Amino acid sequence: EAQVTQNPRYLITVTGKKLTVTCSQNMNHEYMSWYRQDPGLGLRQIYYSMNVEVTDKGDVPEGYKVSRKEKRNFPLILESPSPNQTSLYFCASSLSRGHQPQHFGDGTRLSIL
Amino acid sequence: AQSVTQPDIHITVSEGASLELRCNYSYGATPYLFWYVQSPGQGLQLLLKYFSGDTLVQGIKGFEAEFKRSQSSFNLRKPSVHWSDAAEYFCAVGSYGGSQGNLIFGKGTKLSVKP
Repeated sequence: EAQVTQNPRYLITVTGKKLTVTCSQNMNHEYMSWYRQDPGLGLRQIYYSMNVEVTDKGDVPEGYKVSRKEKRNFPLILESPSPNQTSLYFCASSLSRGHQPQHFGDGTRLSIL
Repeated sequence: AQSVTQPDIHITVSEGASLELRCNYSYGATPYLFWYVQSPGQGLQLLLKYFSGDTLVQGIKGFEAEFKRSQSSFNLRKPSVHWSDAAEYFCAVGSYGGSQGNLIFGKGTKLSVKP
């Protein structure tokens, strides 16, 4: 079954404690991206990756890092999380950058205290 | 600037009534248009998409949408709403190929269904 898998689904943590949200897709997609969803703001793109070792900033990259060492994985790293990063995060993938639609994971709800 | 506007933050309809959710976009390139639905606690599910051709597109769960280039709109419709349709709906615009490729989302419309 084609899917995008995120882990964890829920996480409560404290300010400053580094965390990683993993994202894995099994469709051999080149393009992967991370979004955050906040009430009244919709989905905003954090980072995207067009292929292995190729990443770039989206609309709201501050406070986040990503890596793309393998095609299937695109982890989101919060080196020093802060309360304003409390949000619902989605990973998505598509065949290539311009290829639509994107397939979304089920989301990761992060609470930073 | 590229943008998607969903003018209605929250809509309540009675079960069995018809539904129309509005979406307007501003996009420099030829747009590809999408509607996604998000049920509580769930991820985004693609309802339908418009790439080209017939401007009235059919999607899953009985939804349809009509692309009107002159109005820069892509409104979502359903003739008879079911209680299970209560969810949040997102319109998105993207492009195929070229230098652009990211999806731009509207802020969403939350649909409540009255019995």
